[in-house]
Amino acid sequence: DAKTTQPNSMESNEEEPVHLPCNHSTISGTDYIHWYRQLPSQGPEYVIHGLTSNVNNRMASLAIAEDRKSSTLILHRATLRDAAVYYCILRDERNNAGNMLTFGGGTRLMVKP
Amino acid sequence: DTGVSQDPRHKITKRGQNVTFRCDPISEHNRLYWYRQTLGQGPEFLTYFQNEAQLEKSRLLSDRFSAERPKGSFSTLEIQRTEQGDSAMYLCASSRTGFGDGYTFGSGTRLTVV
Repeated sequence: DAKTTQPNSMESNEEEPVHLPCNHSTISGTDYIHWYRQLPSQGPEYVIHGLTSNVNNRMASLAIAEDRKSSTLILHRATLRDAAVYYCILRDERNNAGNMLTFGGGTRLMVKP
Repeated sequence: DTGVSQDPRHKITKRGQNVTFRCDPISEHNRLYWYRQTLGQGPEFLTYFQNEAQLEKSRLLSDRFSAERPKGSFSTLEIQRTEQGDSAMYLCASSRTGFGDGYTFGSGTRLTVV
């Protein structure tokens, strides 16, 4: 499985933007880039995913490098409720793949008031 | 729809006992996954079903573990002869075939083996 590399932890101030980086230099053509986050004592929560183009939704934006070897999850205004572990995951979307998610260690985001 | 439900939320059992967990996925989701998560680690894949068929199992799933999804609806995960190393959070997730909106996870069942 193609792997991702993320910083172990990051800190942000409340109401400021946060850029969470992810490196995936061995990404293949059928891999989508998925981001999930996990709040304390909860299961992971889907945030966003993309293939080549930048993506926006109500939770976040995903900026994907032109060579697809890295991506950045952008939280436009961090709130205390955004404190969580953020996972960047490559998911093989071929029809015959199980589409399971392989989680790494993620980035623990701490938000300071 | 209330999302993915898991029962129980917490389970404490003595070593050597059998335990069974239940997962009720989102009704229109045909794929169901089980993951295990230990403290400080990301979730690890255990097994997945497409409808009632169990299509893949991880090497982590020893012979003491069995999962079923009768009629392609709810699923159960049973652990026989529990060991202290089985203590973990067991997470269930469901999705539609393809990538859609991604997985929806339940809140998990926390197992403590004493």
